Amino acid sequence: DVKVTQSSRYLVKRTGEKVFLECVQDMDHENMFWYRQDPGLGLRLIYFSYDVKMKEKGDIPEGYSVSREKKERFSLILESASTNQTSMYLCASSSRTGSNQPQHFGDGTRLSIL
Amino acid sequence: QQQVKQSPQSLIVQKGGISIINCAYENTAFDYFPWYQQFPGKGPALLIAIRPDVSEKKEGRFTISFNKSAKQFSLHIMDSQPGDSATYFCAASIYNFGNEKLTFGTGTRLTIIP
Repeated sequence: DVKVTQSSRYLVKRTGEKVFLECVQDMDHENMFWYRQDPGLGLRLIYFSYDVKMKEKGDIPEGYSVSREKKERFSLILESASTNQTSMYLCASSSRTGSNQPQHFGDGTRLSIL
Repeated sequence: QQQVKQSPQSLIVQKGGISIINCAYENTAFDYFPWYQQFPGKGPALLIAIRPDVSEKKEGRFTISFNKSAKQFSLHIMDSQPGDSATYFCAASIYNFGNEKLTFGTGTRLTIIP
């Protein structure tokens, strides 16, 4: 079974802090994604990566950056956390072999910015 | 701009009944339409998916109906069970050589009552 592991289930940080969310997958997937999930808004794509050291902006990249130094690890960085970044963050990975491979999600990190 | 519109936001169905969730899309370039299921405390997981060259796909109690001319697709859950209580997301993507990204709907919280 594919396993996508997010480093923290719950995280509380203060406004202005630099925040790191880590995600690791164990299936050698090429593609990795970061979403945020908010009630009534569904899942919105922040950033994605098709390969090591590659990244592309999703629909809501403002205030975020990402890092992918190794194939299995994809980090989301909040450069200067703000209260409007309080949300559930979900990481996902998928294979590039064939088209439309399913995305496999981690269980999420619930981030609160005070 | 929301490219995939989902309704209803929440749905309560009696055990044994039929649950129906609807989605509409705007971009005619979309060529893959999956549904994801999310249980509380877990990440979403692929439930069933359809391509626009067919009008219906059935897997067990779950059926996707697809209407290309109306740009609409729906999920039907037959003989709904309490274990089906979850949040359901429709999604859409465009073929991109294995690098597809998903555009999600806003989600439907389904509750099956005994």
